[in-house]
Amino acid sequence: SSELTQDPAVSVALGQTVRITCQGDSLRSYYASWYQQKPGQAPVLVIYGKNNRPSGIPDRFSGSSSGNTASLTITGAQAEDEADYYCNSRDSSGNIWVFGTGTKVTVL
Amino acid sequence: QLQLQESGPGLVKPSETLSLTCTVSGGSISSSSYYWGWIRQPPGKGLEWIGSIYYSGSTYYNPSLKSRVTISVDTSKNQFSLKLSSVTAADTAVYYCARHSHSIFGVVTYTYFDYWGQGTLVTVSS
Repeated sequence: SSELTQDPAVSVALGQTVRITCQGDSLRSYYASWYQQKPGQAPVLVIYGKNNRPSGIPDRFSGSSSGNTASLTITGAQAEDEADYYCNSRDSSGNIWVFGTGTKVTVL
Repeated sequence: QLQLQESGPGLVKPSETLSLTCTVSGGSISSSSYYWGWIRQPPGKGLEWIGSIYYSGSTYYNPSLKSRVTISVDTSKNQFSLKLSSVTAADTAVYYCARHSHSIFGVVTYTYFDYWGQGTLVTVSS
């Protein structure tokens, strides 16, 4: 099955912009969804599809995709955005779902 | 507001079968466009999709677990369940249930996990 690769960790200064990437062959065919997970909590969906935010997710979160790479951008990062972020997508076979390796975001 | 709640033993012995149930409230498990999934997370590690089920009983499984996993649905109780056989210490994890939405936008189908349970820690140990 396909793998989705993410950078293990990134840091961003308070109020600045950070982009988290997810790479995998299946992303040429399927959109990724993105999840925020804080310690001891269940993941929360922040972006799905081309660039859709569920109700209650701040508009500083946005998504994009190009080729085999999906990206989650946080524009004007806040202290509460410090968390682990995971991408997820269908495998190239279409009926298997894979999570990315995860990125820890630190807000400085 | 849709809510999901996992339940089941927190301790399972090696070689035995792990059994968990997810109870869905605030909505029907028989709604179209929705599958229902299980995801797990070993301590300190990332998320792993285990499998998903439609209310009709149609299932998709992670190939790495397929030989040991059974996911079933009970629409009368608005519940779906996970059974994982022949467990080892490597199966120790927080197990989450989630709604696995399939939304059609034009000619594209978006899939995503939009509602999650709080998770339940299952430890495999003698």
